[in-house]
Amino acid sequence: ETGVTQSPTHLIKTRGQQVTLRCSSQSGHNTVSWYQQALGQGPQFIFQYYREEENGRGNFPPRFSGLQFPNYSSELNVNALELDDSALYLCASSRTGRANYGYTFGSGTRLTVV
Amino acid sequence: DAKTTQPTSMDCAEGRAANLPCNHSTISGNEYVYWYRQIHSQGPQYIIHGLKNNETNEMASLIITEDRKSSTLILPHATLRDTAVYYCIVRVEGSQGNLIFGKGTKLSVKP
Repeated sequence: ETGVTQSPTHLIKTRGQQVTLRCSSQSGHNTVSWYQQALGQGPQFIFQYYREEENGRGNFPPRFSGLQFPNYSSELNVNALELDDSALYLCASSRTGRANYGYTFGSGTRLTVV
Repeated sequence: DAKTTQPTSMDCAEGRAANLPCNHSTISGNEYVYWYRQIHSQGPQYIIHGLKNNETNEMASLIITEDRKSSTLILPHATLRDTAVYYCIVRVEGSQGNLIFGKGTKLSVKP
C-alpha cells in the first residue's frame, strides 16, 4: 500500500502571497488532518477533513483553509502569508471508525516565507 | 495544551536499552497512551499504544504504571537510526480528532 505523499517538498513564498499544499492519503484512508510544525516545536493541529467537510479545527485563523476531494486527497491553502507561517506542514491520513493508531504522516512540505 | 510531560533530551549508548519516561497524571479512564517518533526531516511515525497493560511490538515495549499516571517507552537495543524526537500523547482510542503533541524527548543514540 502507498503511504502519504505531499507536494511540494520545499517552497519559498513572499509575505502576502498565497500558497497551496497538496496531500495524497494512504490507500484505504478517508480522513485527512493537517499540522503545522515550527522549528523546535511539536506539530500543531490545523484542521481535519472527513467526507469532504471540515470536522475539527485548531487555533488557526480563517486564512488557513482546506479541501478534501472524493479520492480523499487534500489541499491546504494559506492566504496573506506572514513570516510566522514559515514551518513544516504535515499531512496525516487515517480511517475513521478504526482505532486511530493508524495515523500515517507524510514527510511534509517545508514552507519558507520571506 | 499537551497532557503529558517528557524530559527535553536523553542520550543512550548504541546497543543498550533506551528508556523514555512520560508523565500523564491527568489521564482519563478511557484515554490511551500513544507514542510517536519523528526522525529528522520526516513526519511522525507511530510506535505503540496501550491502555493499562504493558504492550510490546516489533519496535518497542510500553510499560504503564498501575495508577496510569506515567509510562515508559523502551527501545530494547537502540541503534543510531533510533535517534529522533519521541512524543508521548494521550487520547481516546478510535476517536476522531487531533493528536496533541508536546515538545517530546530528543533521544540521541551514540556509538
